[in-house]
Amino acid sequence: EAAVTQSPRNKVAVTGGKVTLSCNQTNNHNNMYWYRQDTGHGLRLIHYSYGAGSTEKGDIPDGYKASRPSQENFSLILELATPSQTSVYFCASGEDWGDCAEQFFGPGTRLTVL
Amino acid sequence: GDSVTQTEGPVTLSEGTSLTVNCSYETKQYPTLFWYVQYPGEGPQLLFKVPKANEKGSNRGFEATYNKEATSFHLQKASVQESDSAVYYCALGDTEGADRLTFGKGTQLIIQP
Repeated sequence: EAAVTQSPRNKVAVTGGKVTLSCNQTNNHNNMYWYRQDTGHGLRLIHYSYGAGSTEKGDIPDGYKASRPSQENFSLILELATPSQTSVYFCASGEDWGDCAEQFFGPGTRLTVL
Repeated sequence: GDSVTQTEGPVTLSEGTSLTVNCSYETKQYPTLFWYVQYPGEGPQLLFKVPKANEKGSNRGFEATYNKEATSFHLQKASVQESDSAVYYCALGDTEGADRLTFGKGTQLIIQP
C-alpha cells in the first residue's frame, strides 16, 4: 500500500487561477517536502515542514505557499498560477534523523498552466 | 551552500556493457551521500546511501564509494540491463540540522537491447 499519495495526478489550470496540490503520508514521518522537477534542473525544493503547523521555505519558494494542517497532510498552494509553474510536482516524507534521513516520494502531479 | 554535479545525460548504452555515472559534491562538512533512481511515471526511490567516508554502498548490482578526498560518489554497474533504464540522482544530506537533501540534476540512462 502506497505510503505517500498525491492528488490530483494531473491538473490543467488557467493563468491567474488558484491551484492546490495535496499530499498524504501514512509513514508517520515528521518531515514532509514539496519539489518540482524540470528538465535541466532536476529536483528543486519549494517548501518543507517539520510537523503539523510548520512550514519552511526551500530553495525556490516564490509564487508558492504551503500548509501542514496535520501530521499526514501537506498541501502546496499556487495562489496565482503562471505558465512558468507548469511542471511535475513531487511530495516526499522523511524521518528527522538529520543528514542520514531517507526521503520517500509520492508518484507526482503533472501540472499544466495555460 | 551545498551542491552536487553529476554526468549530464542522456547516457545511452547497450545491454551488458558497464556503467559509470559521475557525481561530485561541494559541502563544508561530511554528509551522508545518496543515490536515488526514478523509473518512468514514478517518484524517485532510494537506491542506497552511504553515511561514512571510504565506505561503499550497493544495491541491485549498482555500487558507489564515498571518496572524501576527491569529494566524489560515482555510480557504477558492471553489466547493465534494459530494466536499468531510468533517471539517476546523486544527493547529499544536510549537515546543519535542516533534514534536507541537495540533489544533482539527474542523469537519464537509456539501455538498448
